[in-house]
This record gives sequence, C-alpha cells and structure tokens, in this order.
Amino acid sequence: NAGVTQTPKFQVLKTGQSMTLQCAQDMNHNSMYWYRQDPGMGLRLIYYSASEGTTDKGEVPNGYNVSRLNKREFSLRLESAAPSQTSVYFCASRDPGRSSYEQYFGPGTRLTVT
Amino acid sequence: SQQGEEDPQALSIQEGENATMNCSYKTSINNLQWYRQNSGRGLVHLILIRSNEREKHSGRLRVTLDTSKKSSSLLITASRAADTASYFCATDSEGGGNKLTFGTGTQLKVEL
Repeated sequence: NAGVTQTPKFQVLKTGQSMTLQCAQDMNHNSMYWYRQDPGMGLRLIYYSASEGTTDKGEVPNGYNVSRLNKREFSLRLESAAPSQTSVYFCASRDPGRSSYEQYFGPGTRLTVT
Repeated sequence: SQQGEEDPQALSIQEGENATMNCSYKTSINNLQWYRQNSGRGLVHLILIRSNEREKHSGRLRVTLDTSKKSSSLLITASRAADTASYFCATDSEGGGNKLTFGTGTQLKVEL
C-alpha cells in the first residue's frame, strides 16, 4: 500500500494564479483532511471530509475550496493564490471504524506564492 | 486557535538521556495523541491515550494524561540520534467530529 500520496511535492505560484493540490489514499478510509503547516504554528485544519460526498470547514478555510471526488481522492483548490497561502500542505486520512483514531499523513506539498 | 501548547519549544539532549515534553490543552477531550515529524516529512502517529486513561507505554515511549490539569507529557527514554524530530500533541475534542487540533510542537535534537 502506498498510504496517502500527494501531488505535487513542490509548487511556486504567482499571486492570483490558481492550482489544485491532489491527495489520494489507498487504505479505504472514510475520513480525509487538509492541513496547512506554518513555522511555529503547528498544523491547522483547512477542510475535512467525514465521508464520501460530505465536506466541512475547519479552522482556516478562507481562500480554499475542496472536492471529495470519491472515497480515495480529496483535492484542495486555491482559486486566487495569495502570499499568505505560502505554506506546507498536508493531507491525512482516517478510518472512523477503527478504535485507534490515528490519522495517516501524506508527505506534504510545499507551496510558495510570490 | 491552537488547542495544544507545548513546552519546551526546543530541547537538546545527549544520546542515552531521557526527553520529556509537555502539552497543555483547553477543552474536554475524547483522546490525546502524539505525532512525530522528521524534517521535511509528514507526521507519523506515535501513541494515543484516552480521556479515561492516566498513563500508557509503547516501547521507549511513556505518555501521561491529567485531565484535571488539561495536560499531557511524553517521555522518550534512552534517546537515540534517530529520535531527532519535532513532536506534536493533538487533541480529539468532545463534540469535535473526530477532528484533531494540533499543538505548536517541540523540536527535539539528540546529539551523539
């Protein structure tokens, strides 16, 4: 199993450009999450999807949209990138049916907006 | 806002010593988890402690939870250079919909 995969690994955008970050998991997990990590801030939840067909806002959703394409894939879209969105983005998944409650993380996407 | 605040922000020790890091949180929780992040990588789950547990062990890891003080500690015994990483606590709050709220992390450096 590949676990949680993310593409691209690195991206540089100009202010105002748009892009979609892709995330896929092959563990048949129901729940998926998007976080951003800034220096000294830990991880902050952007959006999450408790199950296929549902999405909800997290702590910092402004400037982002998400799509839960199917059970495997959960994408994050920046419609008009801003320098404040320079960050490392992590996707994670979890199977609510398991008693362990742990989340499995992808390797991250490093995004720079100039 | 961050749920968990961790202390210290950075810790440097010699190989073989024990490392202790602390986490404080604000609301009632279902469980508290600890994750490790190696430089430039994603987070990896280490251990989970439920709200009705006070202590848990896994290998060289020992986690304690004091719900009355809303705090937890992670102890890594007999540290190794490979333990060098950032460590984050994450809380799964009551009524939180299984979302995790992460602390700001402790950067641990284990020197040879």
